[in-house]
Amino acid sequence: AQKITQTQPGMFVQEKEAVTLDCTYDTSDPSYGLFWYKQPSSGEMIFLIYQGSYDQQNATEGRYSLNFQKARKSANLVISASQLGDSAMYFCAMREIGLTGNQFYFGTGTSLTVIP
Amino acid sequence: KAGVTQTPRYLIKTRGQQVTLSCSPISGHRSVSWYQQTPGQGLQFLFEYFSETQRNKGNFPGRFSGRQFSNSRSEMNVSTLELGDSALYLCASSLWAGTGQSGNTIYFGEGSWLTVV
Repeated sequence: AQKITQTQPGMFVQEKEAVTLDCTYDTSDPSYGLFWYKQPSSGEMIFLIYQGSYDQQNATEGRYSLNFQKARKSANLVISASQLGDSAMYFCAMREIGLTGNQFYFGTGTSLTVIP
Repeated sequence: KAGVTQTPRYLIKTRGQQVTLSCSPISGHRSVSWYQQTPGQGLQFLFEYFSETQRNKGNFPGRFSGRQFSNSRSEMNVSTLELGDSALYLCASSLWAGTGQSGNTIYFGEGSWLTVV
């Protein structure tokens, strides 16, 4: 089974609008971390936001927020007030922190295009 | 604080040659991991080193190898290059200590774009 699933290969959003990028995960480890990364065309993977499995509140970082629904095993990224510079690939990732290992698992990514 | 530095950024090699890529992690980070990214296969984990020891290894042939030095800098080597090795190779570093964002997040370099002709 896939550890991380991103079902939206491509998304379009109007500038200044909000957009939600979907991510579901699969793990039996009670302790894990969830991450979102942005990859512009230049190639660098930029860390955006982190959510720990025991965190009670949804993580927020500026215009980024993570909608964490533990029971549904989903960790959707919400970008508010989209900007042209937000056009990039976005990857959801997970690390199982418990005894099962330290490897990072990445989804297949979502290509976001912001339309002026 | 300097980020993860990868060299070279771009390189072109011929089939059958070998290549060595270098990665300097963020100061204080003892874990370095490597990923291969291609349009067809996405982001694939190669291996991870912590304090000079390989802790995890992905499903790649033995032509792909790596090492980590005492200063945490890491190199990866690909021998007998094939056309399919053309990819973006990403290095990431982490504290890998305890729980929470600071201990678990991996930070990437800009990557090395390898083209095999």
